[in-house]
Amino acid sequence: EPEVTQTPSHQVTQMGQEVILRCVPISNHLYFYWYRQILGQKVEFLVSFYNNEISEKSEIFDDQFSVERPDGSNFTLKIRSTKLEDSAMYFCASSWTASTNEKLFFGSGTQLSVL
Amino acid sequence: LAKTTQPISMDSYEGQEVNITCSHNNIATNDYITWYQQFPSQGPRFIIQGYKTKVTNEVASLFIPADRKSSTLSLPRVSLSDTAVYYCLVVLRGGSARQLTFGSGTQLTVLP
Repeated sequence: EPEVTQTPSHQVTQMGQEVILRCVPISNHLYFYWYRQILGQKVEFLVSFYNNEISEKSEIFDDQFSVERPDGSNFTLKIRSTKLEDSAMYFCASSWTASTNEKLFFGSGTQLSVL
Repeated sequence: LAKTTQPISMDSYEGQEVNITCSHNNIATNDYITWYQQFPSQGPRFIIQGYKTKVTNEVASLFIPADRKSSTLSLPRVSLSDTAVYYCLVVLRGGSARQLTFGSGTQLTVLP
């Protein structure tokens, strides 16, 4: 089965630093997403991205967050000035269509620890 | 969006069939029922989706009664590697990813 690849698997950073989380979605997928899961809590939607634009974003996705598809394969999430509460597992996902009854493929995640 | 209710946890033994029931009393006409599985430190993985009656794939079966107010995920002959959190989601056909809401899920523990 095709896979979504995320790097790094773990990222440790100091509060106030910028981090970039990287993802390689499945090659023929058109829609890309970031979710996050704080330890012991639910998987939360952050943002969806299509045709080089943000399609939707949640209240969590504030001005500190940005997403980019810098080339034909990578999809990145940048947090400009990390806070302690940004510590979480961040999952990238991709799909062929935007419909929620479309299967989403998730990566294995990047565990972000903000110290 | 229809709210879902599922047991917080379940235990089973290897080789048994496991049935996890999800309640979604407010399901709408255009909603689909979708199940995801999540292993520790991994992203959710799509298992199965259905609209009504029964759907079966190589991993699981999904039973949906005529009123669609509940659904049952059936895992045949579970093994230790099926230990995971199982999420029941009600998703609107044509809806957006923002509406893909993961609840607390059911922690299934398979014992030897």
